[in-house]
Amino acid sequence: DAGITQSPRHKVTETGTPVTLRCHQTENHRYMYWYRQDPGHGLRLIHYSYGVKDTDKGEVSDGYSVSRSKTEDFLLTLESATSSQTSVYFCAISLGTDSTDTQYFGPGTRLTVL
Amino acid sequence: GQNIDQPTEMTATEGAIVQINCTYQTSGFNGLFWYQQHAGEAPTFLSYNVLDGLEEKGRFSSFLSRSKGYSYLLLKELQMKDSASYLCAVWDNTDKLIFGTGTRLQVFP
Repeated sequence: DAGITQSPRHKVTETGTPVTLRCHQTENHRYMYWYRQDPGHGLRLIHYSYGVKDTDKGEVSDGYSVSRSKTEDFLLTLESATSSQTSVYFCAISLGTDSTDTQYFGPGTRLTVL
Repeated sequence: GQNIDQPTEMTATEGAIVQINCTYQTSGFNGLFWYQQHAGEAPTFLSYNVLDGLEEKGRFSSFLSRSKGYSYLLLKELQMKDSASYLCAVWDNTDKLIFGTGTRLQVFP
């Protein structure tokens, strides 16, 4: 257990509404990541953070923004949700101080956009 | 481009041995991970290989050949609880973890 929680765990929303997912960690890890997982695709990186206010884009960042104002929280925002963003979203952290250290995943958020 | 290939599905019998293969073509290589993911749950870390050879951890072993762009996960003495998806992932040279689509393993009694 790497001390990662995600909220909400499930959410149903309508197209065009804003949605924010929260990832919270309790152990001051520097690196945090947001992935989405869809059938037929591997886990795909959306955005990642290497410190407070330091974030960068991943492979599938269009339509998503992130913020990290505190070490423990990494927020993922869908400004205007679309049906293509229906997915399971996982937050992850690297336990070590290097970005290539092993990643550990939170429990996930299942998001449905109608 | 980045490409990681794994079989989509495999089946095996309780008590048997199964080998799950992974081939990769990525922009650089800084290590390879195997994760286990039960249905509806988060991926959990199984193993890490960065040098060629076999890493053994209990019933699970992972092998890497960097020259061939190939790895396998070997599961021995299969148990029903080993029914899960197994994800192969490679660190590329931009420090991103690239995942394969996963192999769904079903273990039958």
